[in-house]
Parts: sequence; C-alpha cells; structure tokens
Amino acid sequence: EPEVTQTPSHQVTQMGQEVILRCVPISNHLYFYWYRQILGQKVEFLVSFYNNEISEKSEIFDDQFSVERPDGSNFTLKIRSTKLEDSAMYFCASTRDRSYEQYFGPGTRLTVT
Amino acid sequence: AQSVTQLDSHVSVSEGTPVLLRCNYSSSYSPSLFWYVQHPNKGLQLLLKYTSAATLVKGINGFEAEFKKSETSFHLTKPSAHMSDAAEYFCVVGGGGAAGNKLTFGGGTRVLVKP
Repeated sequence: EPEVTQTPSHQVTQMGQEVILRCVPISNHLYFYWYRQILGQKVEFLVSFYNNEISEKSEIFDDQFSVERPDGSNFTLKIRSTKLEDSAMYFCASTRDRSYEQYFGPGTRLTVT
Repeated sequence: AQSVTQLDSHVSVSEGTPVLLRCNYSSSYSPSLFWYVQHPNKGLQLLLKYTSAATLVKGINGFEAEFKKSETSFHLTKPSAHMSDAAEYFCVVGGGGAAGNKLTFGGGTRVLVKP
C-alpha cells in the first residue's frame, strides 16, 4: 500500500540554523500539506500546496518558512532561522483531490537547542 | 471558522469492553469529519470519515462513529476493545480555510487498554 514518507525521523539543530524537512507524498497525489504538533498541543495546519504554489497558509507560516516541490517526488519544508519555539513534530500529508482524506507521514521530530 | 473539542484527554478501558471517545465540533457549514489514530512512533492513520452520506459511519478495525447534527457531535465507538487499540485518537473537521481543504484537529484522546 502506498504511503507518505518523511526524512529524517528526528532532527536536532541549533537556534538560528536552517533546516529542511523532506517528504515524499503518494505518487499520484496532487495536494500537499504540512502540519505541526508542539509537544502537548494540538496538531496545527501550516500550509497547503497545489499546482506548484501555496494555496493557503496559516499565521504560523511566516517568512521564516518556505515550501518547495523541487522535483516530481519530493515536497520540502524549509525553516530559514530556527527558533526554540519551532521544536515540534512536523507532519507531511497528501491527497489526490479535495476530498479531504489526507494521508499522513510518520512525522519528523525537530528539536531546536 | 471551525473547531473541534475532544471531551476526554485520556480514556482507560479493559480489554473486551466498549470504547467511547467523545467529540464535538463547530463549523459554519456542513463539515467533513474524520477520526485519525496515531500509534506510538507511527503516522496518523485514517479510521473513518463522514462526508454527508450516512450518519453512521463504519471504519477500520471495528470502529464506527455517528454524526449527530443537532448535537454537533461525532463520537467514536467500538463494541469491544483490543490491546492493539491503545493509541491516540484525533477527531478532525475538514473543509476549512480559504482553499477549503484545511484540517482542524481536536486535542486528542489517549486510549489505554488494560488486560
């Protein structure tokens, strides 16, 4: 059964450093998403991406964040200058259409020290 | 705007007994509703979804949920808990945001199954 994959599973970085979180969505999917979950808090929507552009972003997704689909398979989330409060589990999701049945990856745990 | 409230942060049941996870939602339009499950160190897996067809929705692993518009609820049930049901469960409402495909999550309910 096809699945969404994410790498790395755990990333530790120092404050101020850039990080790139990688996702490989399901191959015939067209809509891509990033969510995050700070420890002890709800899963929060960050951004949705379709047809090579952002279709929606939350207020969390400020200028420090960017997303890219550099080739036909990867979908990346970049944080330019990490802050302590960026420490969270980041989930990638994809869906074939807007039926909302989003398929999630296992997550990347980002720890900013 | 839409929101989801899961009424119990933790639920403890004995194996073989029923499970009830409670969820209330708020939405300004007819929502799509989902339950996702997350086992330790795993991704979020879809259990079931409601998209304005039958109000009683059957999902995987014996779970089902009933959409009650008058009560704005979407509670998840299973008649007989199994040890493998120990996980965190998220009630989710979809269709929000300007693009119409943003998911809004509840706070999660952690289920413990006792032998």
